[in-house]
Amino acid sequence: DQQVKQNSPSLSVQEGRISILNCDYTNSMFDYFLWYKKYPAEGPTFLISISSIKDKNEDGRFTVFLNKSAKHLSLHIVPSQPGDSAVYFCAAEAGNNRKLIWGLGTSLAVNP
Amino acid sequence: DSGVTQTPKHLITATGQRVTLRCSPRSGDLSVYWYQQSLDQGLQFLIQYYNGEERAKGNILERFSAQQFPDLHSELNLSSLELGDSALYFCASSASGRVDNEQFFGPGTRLTVL
Repeated sequence: DQQVKQNSPSLSVQEGRISILNCDYTNSMFDYFLWYKKYPAEGPTFLISISSIKDKNEDGRFTVFLNKSAKHLSLHIVPSQPGDSAVYFCAAEAGNNRKLIWGLGTSLAVNP
Repeated sequence: DSGVTQTPKHLITATGQRVTLRCSPRSGDLSVYWYQQSLDQGLQFLIQYYNGEERAKGNILERFSAQQFPDLHSELNLSSLELGDSALYFCASSASGRVDNEQFFGPGTRLTVL
Protein backbone atom coordinates (compact mmCIF):
# COMPACT_ATOMS: atom_id res chain seq x y z
CA ASP A 1 0.00 0.00 0.00
CA GLN A 2 1.59 3.21 -1.19
CA GLN A 3 1.18 5.76 1.61
CA VAL A 4 2.87 8.48 -0.42
CA LYS A 5 1.71 8.76 -4.01
CA GLN A 6 3.13 10.73 -6.88
CA ASN A 7 0.55 9.98 -9.51
CA SER A 8 2.34 11.61 -12.42
CA PRO A 9 5.36 9.55 -13.45
CA SER A 10 6.53 12.32 -15.75
CA LEU A 11 6.05 15.99 -16.50
CA SER A 12 7.33 18.18 -19.31
CA VAL A 13 7.41 21.99 -19.18
CA GLN A 14 8.97 24.82 -21.15
CA GLU A 15 11.91 26.73 -19.79
CA GLY A 16 10.75 29.81 -17.90
CA ARG A 17 7.31 28.39 -17.10
CA ILE A 18 6.08 27.00 -13.81
CA SER A 19 6.55 23.33 -12.92
CA ILE A 20 4.06 21.88 -10.47
CA LEU A 21 4.79 18.47 -8.99
CA ASN A 22 2.12 16.84 -6.88
CA CYS A 23 2.16 14.41 -4.00
CA ASP A 24 -0.72 12.83 -2.12
CA TYR A 25 -0.54 10.91 1.13
CA THR A 26 -2.91 8.68 3.02
CA ASN A 27 -1.51 8.65 6.54
CA SER A 28 -2.90 11.53 8.60
CA MET A 29 -0.11 10.99 11.12
CA PHE A 30 2.50 12.31 8.68
CA ASP A 31 3.74 15.60 10.03
CA TYR A 32 6.89 16.35 8.09
CA PHE A 33 7.37 16.33 4.34
CA LEU A 34 10.43 16.59 2.16
CA TRP A 35 11.25 16.89 -1.51
CA TYR A 36 14.41 15.40 -2.95
CA LYS A 37 15.79 15.75 -6.45
CA LYS A 38 17.71 13.02 -8.21
CA TYR A 39 19.89 13.20 -11.29
CA PRO A 40 20.87 10.03 -13.18
CA ALA A 41 23.78 8.12 -11.66
CA GLU A 42 23.65 10.22 -8.49
CA GLY A 43 21.97 9.85 -5.13
CA PRO A 44 19.00 12.05 -4.22
CA THR A 45 19.71 15.53 -2.90
CA PHE A 46 17.54 17.42 -0.46
CA LEU A 47 15.53 20.25 -1.96
CA ILE A 48 12.99 21.63 0.48
CA SER A 49 10.84 20.52 3.41
CA ILE A 50 7.72 21.57 5.25
CA SER A 51 6.32 20.86 8.67
CA SER A 52 2.62 20.16 9.08
CA ILE A 53 2.25 23.30 11.17
CA LYS A 54 2.86 25.34 8.04
CA ASP A 55 1.06 25.49 4.73
CA LYS A 56 3.84 27.02 2.67
CA ASN A 57 7.61 27.07 2.60
CA GLU A 58 9.65 28.96 0.06
CA ASP A 59 13.31 28.73 -0.91
CA GLY A 60 14.32 30.74 -3.94
CA ARG A 61 12.60 29.33 -7.01
CA PHE A 62 11.13 26.43 -5.03
CA THR A 63 7.93 26.61 -3.01
CA VAL A 64 6.17 23.73 -1.30
CA PHE A 65 2.49 24.01 -0.45
CA LEU A 66 0.76 21.71 2.03
CA ASN A 67 -2.99 21.14 2.17
CA LYS A 68 -3.55 18.97 5.22
CA SER A 69 -7.28 18.61 4.77
CA ALA A 70 -6.74 17.23 1.27
CA LYS A 71 -3.62 15.30 2.31
CA HIS A 72 -1.86 16.89 -0.62
CA LEU A 73 1.35 18.75 -1.17
CA SER A 74 2.85 20.31 -4.23
CA LEU A 75 6.23 21.61 -5.27
CA HIS A 76 6.30 24.69 -7.48
CA ILE A 77 9.38 25.62 -9.45
CA VAL A 78 9.31 29.11 -10.91
CA PRO A 79 10.84 29.79 -13.34
CA SER A 80 11.79 26.32 -14.51
CA GLN A 81 15.28 25.86 -15.91
CA PRO A 82 16.75 23.03 -18.01
CA GLY A 83 19.00 22.14 -15.06
CA ASP A 84 15.88 21.31 -13.07
CA SER A 85 15.34 18.26 -15.27
CA ALA A 86 15.53 15.39 -12.80
CA VAL A 87 13.40 12.93 -10.86
CA TYR A 88 11.65 14.52 -7.89
CA PHE A 89 10.74 12.44 -4.87
CA CYS A 90 8.25 13.35 -2.20
CA ALA A 91 8.82 11.81 1.24
CA ALA A 92 6.90 11.92 4.50
CA GLU A 93 7.54 11.12 8.14
CA ALA A 94 5.17 10.46 11.01
CA GLY A 95 5.79 11.71 14.50
CA ASN A 96 9.57 11.50 14.46
CA ASN A 97 9.56 7.73 14.10
CA ARG A 98 12.62 8.32 11.99
CA LYS A 99 11.33 6.48 8.93
CA LEU A 100 10.85 8.37 5.73
CA ILE A 101 8.17 6.98 3.41
CA TRP A 102 8.93 7.82 -0.21
CA GLY A 103 6.83 8.27 -3.31
CA LEU A 104 7.82 6.68 -6.61
CA GLY A 105 9.03 9.96 -8.06
CA THR A 106 8.09 12.24 -10.94
CA SER A 107 10.48 12.73 -13.81
CA LEU A 108 10.57 16.40 -14.79
CA ALA A 109 11.85 17.49 -18.20
CA VAL A 110 12.36 21.20 -18.73
CA ASN A 111 12.69 21.94 -22.42
CA PRO A 112 14.75 24.90 -23.68
CA ASP B 1 29.65 15.61 -4.19
CA SER B 2 27.63 14.81 -1.07
CA GLY B 3 30.63 13.59 0.91
CA VAL B 4 29.08 10.14 1.28
CA THR B 5 30.98 7.36 -0.45
CA GLN B 6 29.74 3.93 -1.40
CA THR B 7 31.67 0.97 -2.69
CA PRO B 8 31.52 -0.79 -4.98
CA LYS B 9 29.69 1.20 -7.66
CA HIS B 10 28.56 -1.92 -9.46
CA LEU B 11 28.29 -5.52 -8.34
CA ILE B 12 27.27 -8.51 -10.42
CA THR B 13 26.77 -11.82 -8.68
CA ALA B 14 24.76 -15.02 -8.85
CA THR B 15 21.71 -16.22 -6.98
CA GLY B 16 22.47 -17.75 -3.61
CA GLN B 17 25.58 -15.67 -3.10
CA ARG B 18 26.38 -13.17 -0.37
CA VAL B 19 27.66 -9.62 -0.89
CA THR B 20 28.70 -6.71 1.31
CA LEU B 21 28.06 -3.10 0.43
CA ARG B 22 30.07 -0.42 2.15
CA CYS B 23 29.25 3.16 3.06
CA SER B 24 31.36 5.94 4.52
CA PRO B 25 29.26 8.82 5.86
CA ARG B 26 30.09 12.50 5.65
CA SER B 27 32.69 13.59 8.13
CA GLY B 28 30.99 14.22 11.47
CA ASP B 29 27.69 12.58 10.60
CA LEU B 30 26.61 10.04 13.19
CA SER B 31 23.59 8.57 11.44
CA VAL B 32 23.60 6.22 8.46
CA TYR B 33 20.56 5.08 6.50
CA TRP B 34 20.25 2.33 3.90
CA TYR B 35 17.69 2.40 1.10
CA GLN B 36 16.78 0.06 -1.75
CA GLN B 37 15.48 1.30 -5.08
CA SER B 38 14.18 -1.44 -7.34
CA LEU B 39 12.99 -0.95 -10.90
CA ASP B 40 9.71 1.02 -10.92
CA GLN B 41 9.89 1.39 -7.17
CA GLY B 42 10.52 4.39 -5.04
CA LEU B 43 13.12 4.40 -2.35
CA GLN B 44 12.42 1.80 0.30
CA PHE B 45 13.91 2.54 3.69
CA LEU B 46 15.78 -0.48 5.01
CA ILE B 47 17.52 0.45 8.24
CA GLN B 48 19.11 3.30 10.19
CA TYR B 49 22.07 3.33 12.51
CA TYR B 50 23.05 6.10 14.87
CA ASN B 51 26.51 6.14 16.44
CA GLY B 52 26.84 2.39 16.14
CA GLU B 53 23.37 1.45 17.35
CA GLU B 54 20.38 0.40 15.29
CA ARG B 55 17.84 3.26 15.42
CA ALA B 56 15.03 2.35 13.08
CA LYS B 57 14.07 -0.54 10.89
CA GLY B 58 12.09 -0.51 7.70
CA ASN B 59 11.36 -3.13 5.09
CA ILE B 60 14.57 -5.05 5.56
CA LEU B 61 14.48 -8.75 4.78
CA GLU B 62 15.83 -11.27 7.27
CA ARG B 63 18.44 -12.24 4.67
CA PHE B 64 19.82 -8.72 4.93
CA SER B 65 21.76 -7.30 7.84
CA ALA B 66 23.72 -4.17 8.53
CA GLN B 67 26.08 -2.72 11.07
CA GLN B 68 27.83 0.53 11.85
CA PHE B 69 31.39 0.36 13.03
CA PRO B 70 33.21 2.54 15.60
CA ASP B 71 34.66 4.66 12.80
CA LEU B 72 31.01 5.23 11.73
CA HIS B 73 31.27 3.51 8.37
CA SER B 74 28.50 1.04 7.69
CA GLU B 75 28.11 -2.21 5.82
CA LEU B 76 25.00 -3.80 4.40
CA ASN B 77 25.21 -7.57 4.04
CA LEU B 78 22.90 -9.30 1.59
CA SER B 79 22.83 -13.10 1.66
CA SER B 80 21.10 -15.93 -0.20
CA LEU B 81 20.63 -13.48 -3.02
CA GLU B 82 17.60 -13.75 -5.27
CA LEU B 83 16.92 -12.23 -8.69
CA GLY B 84 14.53 -9.78 -7.05
CA ASP B 85 17.32 -8.33 -4.96
CA SER B 86 18.71 -6.65 -8.05
CA ALA B 87 18.41 -2.96 -7.29
CA LEU B 88 20.20 0.26 -6.51
CA TYR B 89 21.23 0.44 -2.89
CA PHE B 90 21.73 3.90 -1.46
CA CYS B 91 23.39 4.93 1.73
CA ALA B 92 22.67 8.31 3.30
CA SER B 93 24.05 10.08 6.33
CA SER B 94 22.91 12.89 8.55
CA ALA B 95 24.36 14.75 11.47
CA SER B 96 21.79 13.54 13.96
CA GLY B 97 19.21 10.81 14.01
CA ARG B 98 16.33 13.20 13.49
CA VAL B 99 14.47 12.72 10.25
CA ASP B 100 14.10 16.48 9.77
CA ASN B 101 17.87 16.63 9.58
CA GLU B 102 18.88 16.65 5.93
CA GLN B 103 20.07 13.30 4.66
CA PHE B 104 23.01 13.30 2.27
CA PHE B 105 23.01 10.43 -0.18
CA GLY B 106 25.86 8.53 -1.73
CA PRO B 107 25.90 7.68 -5.44
CA GLY B 108 24.57 4.19 -4.80
CA THR B 109 25.69 0.63 -5.49
CA ARG B 110 23.99 -1.10 -8.39
CA LEU B 111 23.56 -4.78 -7.60
CA THR B 112 22.73 -7.21 -10.36
CA VAL B 113 21.86 -10.77 -9.41
CA LEU B 114 22.00 -13.22 -12.31
